[in-house]
Amino acid sequence: EIVLTQSPVTLSLSPGERATLSCRASQNIASYLAWYQQKPGQAPRLLIYGASNRATGIPARFSGSGSGTDFTLTISNLEPEDFAVYYCQQRVNWPLTFGGGTEVEIK
Amino acid sequence: EVQLMESGGGLVQPGGSLRLSCAAAGFTVSSYWMTWVRQSPGKGLEWVASIKQDGSAKYYVDSVKGRFTISRDDAKNSLYLQMNSLRAEDTAVYYCAREYSNANWYDPWGQGTLVTVSS
Repeated sequence: EIVLTQSPVTLSLSPGERATLSCRASQNIASYLAWYQQKPGQAPRLLIYGASNRATGIPARFSGSGSGTDFTLTISNLEPEDFAVYYCQQRVNWPLTFGGGTEVEIK
Repeated sequence: EVQLMESGGGLVQPGGSLRLSCAAAGFTVSSYWMTWVRQSPGKGLEWVASIKQDGSAKYYVDSVKGRFTISRDDAKNSLYLQMNSLRAEDTAVYYCAREYSNANWYDPWGQGTLVTVSS
């Protein structure tokens, strides 16, 4: 099973700041990584797939990078609606696995 | 509009059974990989099971193998999760989701249905 480790667990930032979230895989997963956003009481929403491709309707301030074992989600200019929990997910093999999540909270 | 709507959650005793349903609108479930993901209260996301478009492949997380069964009814355009021998650790919100971009990424998701296993 591929383990995804996200860091930090919590990120305290102010609106307008830049957020940098990390996801590390326990083995090489090439670019088979996605990022999801989840707000309280809501279902997750796909942001980034294939490590760097924005899903339909996702604003350009969200970007993904990385390959192999180290991946980054960057939110360039935090909007109030971006404060949420973010999860990474790999699909290179079964079982599909998610990281433990990073909460981006208002400082 | 593409939509997914789960139902069937509730309170069940340990060892009991429950069948979750996921009704799809705006697309045909038989044309996509479909999946179930769960989230225990206050915890992260856990993939549970997935079914291929033609039903020829089904995958499960180890903790539910032999207890849960994923299936589909094309006539009803719905996805199901039959859950048997339920345990306290199965307590979670269960989401169904559709694959995105011909790969095992998932979007959209339903709103979720809560399963509570307790005596």
